[in-house]
Amino acid sequence: DQQVKQNSPSLSVQEGRISILNCDYTNSMFDYFLWYKKYPAEGPTFLISISSIKDKNEDGRFTVFLNKSAKHLSLHIVPSQPGDSAVYFCAASRSGGYNKLIFGAGTRLAVHP
Amino acid sequence: EADIYQTPRYLVIGTGKKITLECSQTMGHDKMYWYQQDPGMELHLIHYSYGVNSTEKGDLSSESTVSRIRTEHFPLTLESARPSHTSQYLCASSGFTMRAFFGQGTRLTVV
Repeated sequence: DQQVKQNSPSLSVQEGRISILNCDYTNSMFDYFLWYKKYPAEGPTFLISISSIKDKNEDGRFTVFLNKSAKHLSLHIVPSQPGDSAVYFCAASRSGGYNKLIFGAGTRLAVHP
Repeated sequence: EADIYQTPRYLVIGTGKKITLECSQTMGHDKMYWYQQDPGMELHLIHYSYGVNSTEKGDLSSESTVSRIRTEHFPLTLESARPSHTSQYLCASSGFTMRAFFGQGTRLTVV
């Protein structure tokens, strides 16, 4: 039972344009969401997070939007840069518990000139 | 950024061998985790620990075992490696926040 789903395995975007990565979840108890970026042969690095009390969080070129009613979140990267090419993982957790992060399968983003 | 280290980075080993993957963190985090990832797939939680002498199995069944004798150290052991154990193993830790810090991973190949 996949609780966190990233239905697009890959995305190709031109440099300077907006990249939109999507994530859906099924467990309504999740109240904290994170995005991680992963390069090949390296561990994931934290990018941005959002609590369920918010519907938007912004950090520089990265913005995460949360739609609780639809159980959907998205990561916007604008403008996209070639260095953004990586696999992006969405993760979800329940607060008040033991911080177990449940990950999606990832979306491979390719930003081309 | 994060002070969490995994060794070795790459390991190729024969079937039936015993292996230990090392993971250490210097952040004083109570919580530590082991995830397993195959290419194009989710990171699956296989073990976690909330502190010294506390270990639990994760959501994905694994033949590996872990120990947590010291706060900073969370090694994973496979008593008898098999080709089905070939995967990337990622160690992580977290403190008071929900943000987990990951090591660089160990890519294990069992031949």
